Amino acid sequence: GESVGLHLPTLSVQEGDNSIINCAYSNSASDYFIWYKQESGKGPQFIIDIRSNMDKRQGQRVTVLLNKTVKHLSLQIAATQPGDSAVYFCAETHNTGKLIFGQGTTLQVKP
Amino acid sequence: DAGITQSPRHKVTETGTPVTLRCHQTENHRYMYWYRQDPGHGLRLIHYSYGVKDTDKGEVSDGYSVSRSKTEDFLLTLESATSSQTSVYFCAISESQGQGTEAFFGQGTRLTVV
Repeated sequence: GESVGLHLPTLSVQEGDNSIINCAYSNSASDYFIWYKQESGKGPQFIIDIRSNMDKRQGQRVTVLLNKTVKHLSLQIAATQPGDSAVYFCAETHNTGKLIFGQGTTLQVKP
Repeated sequence: DAGITQSPRHKVTETGTPVTLRCHQTENHRYMYWYRQDPGHGLRLIHYSYGVKDTDKGEVSDGYSVSRSKTEDFLLTLESATSSQTSVYFCAISESQGQGTEAFFGQGTRLTVV
């Protein structure tokens, strides 16, 4: 079956450092990959996405990298801030309309 | 914030009783989803809808049913609630599929089955 997973349940970084959150997926037929951020007590919020025919996409302070050869996705956050503390989920979507999430990585930013 | 409302926000129910959770949207989005979130499992897809009266199963659909009789409402029913269905339930909506099309989430419903 399909699955989307993250390598580490928790990541702790110093404020100002760069963060890298990783995700592995199993379905090579997925069309799009998305990163979501979930703060305590709230629903997930969209951060950035990438199409399966791209390797890299940049947003404001965030970059998503896709390596289809090893089915690996990563989210890079530059100059991590206390407000970045949250749980981060990768997700994949198909042309069927399904949106499948991984288990999540908790990012802790130390002042 | 996207116009998406979940009700109720909190519910305690007894084992064996039916429970219905409602997701209401004002965005006229085609896709609607129900997820459950549990520690160590992330968000797991229960059912989703790709149009009025068009639904399909997700990863953990056993014990749940859904209905979508109009665009704005997507109902999740626990036919006979069990303690294993104690969870936080999230509804999400999406206009379409593909790059740049984000899913918007509701605030969640915390369900406790005792």
